[in-house]
Amino acid sequence: AQSVTQLDSQVPVFEEAPVELRCNYSSSVSVYLFWYVQYPNQGLQLLLKYLSGSTLVESINGFEAEFNKSQTSFHLRKPSVHISDTAEYFCAVRNTDKLIFGTGTRLQVFP
Amino acid sequence: GAGVSQSPSNKVTEKGKDVELRCDPISGHTALYWYRQSLGQGLEFLIYFQGNSAPDKSGLPSDRFSAERTGGSVSTLTIQRTQQEDSAVYLCASSPDIGRGELFFGEGSRLTVL
Repeated sequence: AQSVTQLDSQVPVFEEAPVELRCNYSSSVSVYLFWYVQYPNQGLQLLLKYLSGSTLVESINGFEAEFNKSQTSFHLRKPSVHISDTAEYFCAVRNTDKLIFGTGTRLQVFP
Repeated sequence: GAGVSQSPSNKVTEKGKDVELRCDPISGHTALYWYRQSLGQGLEFLIYFQGNSAPDKSGLPSDRFSAERTGGSVSTLTIQRTQQEDSAVYLCASSPDIGRGELFFGEGSRLTVL
């Protein structure tokens, strides 16, 4: 069965610093990978996704993730974070007709 | 409304009581999902509907949990004889096409079992 592992439950970082949120997946077939974000007191929303094609995918607010088949990873990165990026981030993999989510990483950005 | 709507937003109940949680998906979305979010557990898949059928119920924790969907729209998740371990946020999501992988989530129903 497909699954994802998010190794870091919390990542504290200062504003304008770079950040990487780690995600590893297990799958024996082609994978579709996603990052969802949950801002405080809001529902989850899609941040970015990899379905096929370019292994580097970007979001509209400066995040990017790279699909790395050899390392079975899909880490999320941002070169310079803002206070407004404080949220919980979930990595997910498609398994037949549903998404399987990781346990989440809470990104806390400090001024 | 434009988004996925869930009710109630908060529910406090006593152990042993039954609860019903409701989800109104985005109009036209054929797929509907229920997940459970517990502290430190991430999102746990419960059940998914395609139209009114539930091809995958594999995530329902026990036979106390059931769900239905009518008219290809509204869904109700029912938990019978609630237990304290049922306390969590229950999330509903809908999708026009799971192939694209984009789920549109509601804000959830927070269930507290005393």
